[in-house]
Amino acid sequence: DSGVTQTPKHLITATGQRVTLRCSPRSGDLSVYWYQQSLDQGLQFLIQYYNGEERAKGNILERFSAQQFPDLHSELNLSSLELGDSALYFCASSPRDREETQYFGPGTRLLVL
Amino acid sequence: AQSVAQPEDQVNVAEGNPLTVKCTYSVSGNPYLFWYVQYPNRGLQFLLKYITGDNLVKGSYGFEAEFNKSQTSFHLKKPSALVSDSALYFCAVRPSSGTYKYIFGTGTRLKVLA
Repeated sequence: DSGVTQTPKHLITATGQRVTLRCSPRSGDLSVYWYQQSLDQGLQFLIQYYNGEERAKGNILERFSAQQFPDLHSELNLSSLELGDSALYFCASSPRDREETQYFGPGTRLLVL
Repeated sequence: AQSVAQPEDQVNVAEGNPLTVKCTYSVSGNPYLFWYVQYPNRGLQFLLKYITGDNLVKGSYGFEAEFNKSQTSFHLKKPSALVSDSALYFCAVRPSSGTYKYIFGTGTRLKVLA
């Protein structure tokens, strides 16, 4: 158990809908990262937050957005969902003194029908 | 463009034999290098990292990796494979400065045969 929690574990929704994925980092970690893992694209870095501020942006679509709240939990919002958005979404956090080391949550499996 | 390559989709090795999972990278400067392992229906677990210093890095579960700057490689190794090592292994890289973006390889499935 990495100490990173993600909810929900599974999510089934329809095209065009909007969903919110939630992540709680390990206690004390200020950094949160979001990744998308799909069969055809592998593991793609989406975005990173550090202490509430966006720090790095990867291959995140405009339909997707994220934020990190004062209590350091983070949410990833996916809107106007398409079939191709079906994937595993991982959150990771890293400690202040070893920021380069990430600890991954168990993931949220999203299925868009 | 910055990239990470894991040239083998799958590696099969007999239990007790040494294993190697290959990774090469193309990143400017002196990158940070990582190996992660993913078991079925689980998140990625950190195995080891290279930041600076000794080219041979030791990590969790008896794994080690060798950084080779001239060949831009960071191969994962273990002297004696276990069936329980069977999993999906990811190499990742992050430039040491200028960005916090991580680039992951496509993963290599390791199958250790009893």
